[in-house]
This record gives sequence, C-alpha cells and structure tokens, in this order.
Amino acid sequence: SQQGEEDPQALSIQEGENATMNCSYKTSINNLQWYRQNSGRGLVHLILIRSNEREKHSGRLRVTLDTSKKSSSLLITASRAADTASYFCATMDSSYKLIFGSGTRLLVRP
Amino acid sequence: EAQVTQNPRYLITVTGKKLTVTCSQNMNHEYMSWYRQDPGLGLRQIYYSMNVEVTDKGDVPEGYKVSRKEKRNFPLILESPSPNQTSLYFCASRGLQGNYGYTFGSGTRLTVV
Repeated sequence: SQQGEEDPQALSIQEGENATMNCSYKTSINNLQWYRQNSGRGLVHLILIRSNEREKHSGRLRVTLDTSKKSSSLLITASRAADTASYFCATMDSSYKLIFGSGTRLLVRP
Repeated sequence: EAQVTQNPRYLITVTGKKLTVTCSQNMNHEYMSWYRQDPGLGLRQIYYSMNVEVTDKGDVPEGYKVSRKEKRNFPLILESPSPNQTSLYFCASRGLQGNYGYTFGSGTRLTVV
C-alpha cells in the first residue's frame, strides 16, 4: 500500500533552477527517507531524516520534516540535467517494510 | 563495492515455466526484501526476511516463494508464472541496527507471455 501522495506528480524545470517536491504520509514514523529512481533502474537512497529532526542537508539536497502535518519536502538546488529522475519518499513500518509515496517525475531541461 | 546484485536484468518467459530471480548482497545485512513495481500501483512488497531461515509475506505474496538459506542470498521463485506477474522486480537489503537507508538492486524486468 502506498504511504501517501507526492506533489507534484510531475515537474519540469530549467537547468539551474531549484526543484521542490512534497510528500505526505499517514502513520507515525521513526524516520522518513527519500530515494531517486532513474528510468527503469534501481532506487538509490538519497537522504534520511529522523522524526526528531526538522531539516537536513546533503550537498544540493535539503529535506524538511513536519511531523505535526505528517509531511516532508525535498529541495534540489541548482538542478542539473542528470537530476532528471523519479523521486520517492518512503517511511518504514515496524517490520522494516518501506512504504513508498507515489513519486514525483522530475525533468530538468538543459 | 557495497551492492545488491540481481540476475537476470531482463527475462521473457512463458506461462507456467518455473523461474528464479537471484539476489545477493555483500554487506552482511540481516534484512532482505523483494518489491514489485507496476504503473499506477507503485512499489509493493512481496516477501521479506529478517535473517537466515526467517521469511515472511509482504503485501502481495501470492504466486511467489522465497528462501533464505544463507545470509547473502535471497532468491525469488515463481513456480508457475502468469502474465499478471509481468513487472519490474527489486531486491533490497538493510542492516537491522541504526538509522540509514536501504540498498536496492538494479532491478529485473520480467515479462510472462
């Protein structure tokens, strides 16, 4: 079952612009994770934010978490054509199962 | 290099012909899992394993079997594949301690005709 919606479903930006993706989830969490998937390929773990953290940075990535609203956002700054991919948020249940959002398809135009 | 290796990458088979998709990880992870990804349905867990000889059903286990005889390997078995098992399959692994993400394999695109 999917955890929740990601918004927007698709996003098209120019190289150099920032991309923001939002994720909502339904249950209480220990952490929230973001993954990238290039077309038809495996998922790559990008960043994990714990439930007691509000913001986390990794390179050009910035993740925020609002547990009161059960939402998270992923910001990619100074986007590049190589950032073109689908991005998924995911939470983990008590049996370590990842529950994924529906994903955002990002297109970065050169 | 730390990785999860799936084979084959692509597979076309006929209905009813038993097949196995292999998954191997070199990170000494206790937890391994199989997912399938379908348009409009997202990623759904098929089976998971918390350690050697410990396996359990995920959300969509029907038509699949798994085994965990060794810590590094977690094969997915389709005893009698059907066209509704045409999908993109991913194996993933993770240690049980700490806060970090999963490592996924590159995927197996299976077509059952």
